[in-house]
Amino acid sequence: GAGVSQTPSNKVTEKGKYVELRCDPISGHTALYWYRQSLGQGPEFLIYFQGTGAADDSGLPNDRFFAVRPEGSVSTLKIQRTERGDSAVYLCASSPKRKNTGELFFGEGSRLTVL
Amino acid sequence: GIQVEQSPPDLILQEGANSTLRCNFSDSVNNLQWFHQNPWGQLINLFYIPSGTKQNGRLSATTVATERYSLLYISSSQTTDSGVYFCAVEERGTSYGKLTFGQGTILTVHP
Repeated sequence: GAGVSQTPSNKVTEKGKYVELRCDPISGHTALYWYRQSLGQGPEFLIYFQGTGAADDSGLPNDRFFAVRPEGSVSTLKIQRTERGDSAVYLCASSPKRKNTGELFFGEGSRLTVL
Repeated sequence: GIQVEQSPPDLILQEGANSTLRCNFSDSVNNLQWFHQNPWGQLINLFYIPSGTKQNGRLSATTVATERYSLLYISSSQTTDSGVYFCAVEERGTSYGKLTFGQGTILTVHP
C-alpha cells in the first residue's frame, strides 16, 4: 500500500522479554518518527530519524528502548526486558520534509501488551 | 515544553449538527496538525495548518498563530465523524516533526 506500514499489529509478551516492532515508511519520505500512545492519552514523541541517523532520541524513556534505521527506509523499535508499563500503542510516522509540506503521516500502530 | 490544551474534552452531537473544537498552545509553533483517530486507532490527517484557514468538504480549520489557538469546524456532522480529534504542534526551536499532542476531544455523533 501507499501508507505507513507497521508490523505486528498486535504483540502480547511476558514481562522481561525482548520485542521488536517494525515500520515501513511511505516511499520517498526521508524523515521517520516513533511515538507511543497510552490509553486515553495523546501520542508522545520517542525518536526522530533523518535518513539513517537518529536526529533526536530525547523521547526514549530509558536505555531499554532502542531504534535503528540502517538503510534509511525501514525502522525497527527494540525494547529489552519489557515491563508492564511498556504496554501501549507504538505509532510510526513518516514525513517528506519539504518546505510547507512538513506534515506527518501515521501508520495504524503496533499494540504491545506486556503481561 | 509547550502546553497544548483542547476543548471541550467530550462532545455529544445529533447527526446533522455543527461543532467547533478548540486548541490552545502556550508558545510559538512551526507546525500544527489536526488528526482524527478513528475507533480502530488510525490517526487520519485532517489539516496541516500552521496559520490561516483551510477547508476540506464539511471540515474547516483556522489557526491564529499570533494568538496561539486553532479551531476545527465540523458541519453537518455524521456518525462516521465519531472518534477522537487531536491537535498537535511542533514547538518553534525543536526538532522537525517532534509533535506535542493535546489530550484530544472525544466526539460522539448519534444518528
